[in-house]
Amino acid sequence: EAGVTQFPSHSVIEKGQTVTLRCDPISGHDNLYWYRRVMGKEIKFLLHFVKESKQDESGMPNNRFLAERTGGTYSTLKVQPAELEDSGVYFCASSLDRLGNEQYFGPGTRLTVT
Amino acid sequence: LAKTTQPISMDSYEGQEVNITCSHNNIATNDYITWYQQFPSQGPRFIIQGYKTKVTNEVASLFIPADRKSSTLSLPRVSLSDTAVYYCLVGDRTGGFKTIFGAGTRLFVKA
Repeated sequence: EAGVTQFPSHSVIEKGQTVTLRCDPISGHDNLYWYRRVMGKEIKFLLHFVKESKQDESGMPNNRFLAERTGGTYSTLKVQPAELEDSGVYFCASSLDRLGNEQYFGPGTRLTVT
Repeated sequence: LAKTTQPISMDSYEGQEVNITCSHNNIATNDYITWYQQFPSQGPRFIIQGYKTKVTNEVASLFIPADRKSSTLSLPRVSLSDTAVYYCLVGDRTGGFKTIFGAGTRLFVKA
């Protein structure tokens, strides 16, 4: 069974540009989560999808971040325009149910904004 | 969500049992305790989850005292490959589980 995959693994962009991160969850997992770790800080929750609906987006830092999950399969996280403080590692995770059981994490996308 | 406190780092030797304790004094009735492991350049990996007493799987054991204000992750006979960061998380499973990671415990296993 394939795990959670994320693309790209690394992205280097300039301040003011746009970047779109993609996450493919494990097939059949309705729950999809985005997290990020900015430089030297802890991993922080961004949002949670149940199928295509946003269940909880309380962790999204501001309106420069837009997450979508059309069709309830893969998800994208767009940062527009990117700022220096957006640099970090963005993780995606998926789980089979919403009961907080085991979440399967992807390897992350390392975003560097210069 | 309950705040957790763990040691920042621990050292051990191969073959030893390692116990990492996490404090969560404000744990709520509906909260579960979950531990994740993270290697460099990888996402966190689920290890074990429990509510009370003792839970054991093929990887680790989780001990939770009656008051549930702390928990201890026990790794039997660690190897060099167990060097990683271990996170203790506490939260309500129902209706979605907004996972909050703390600083974690960096375990370094030496030969």
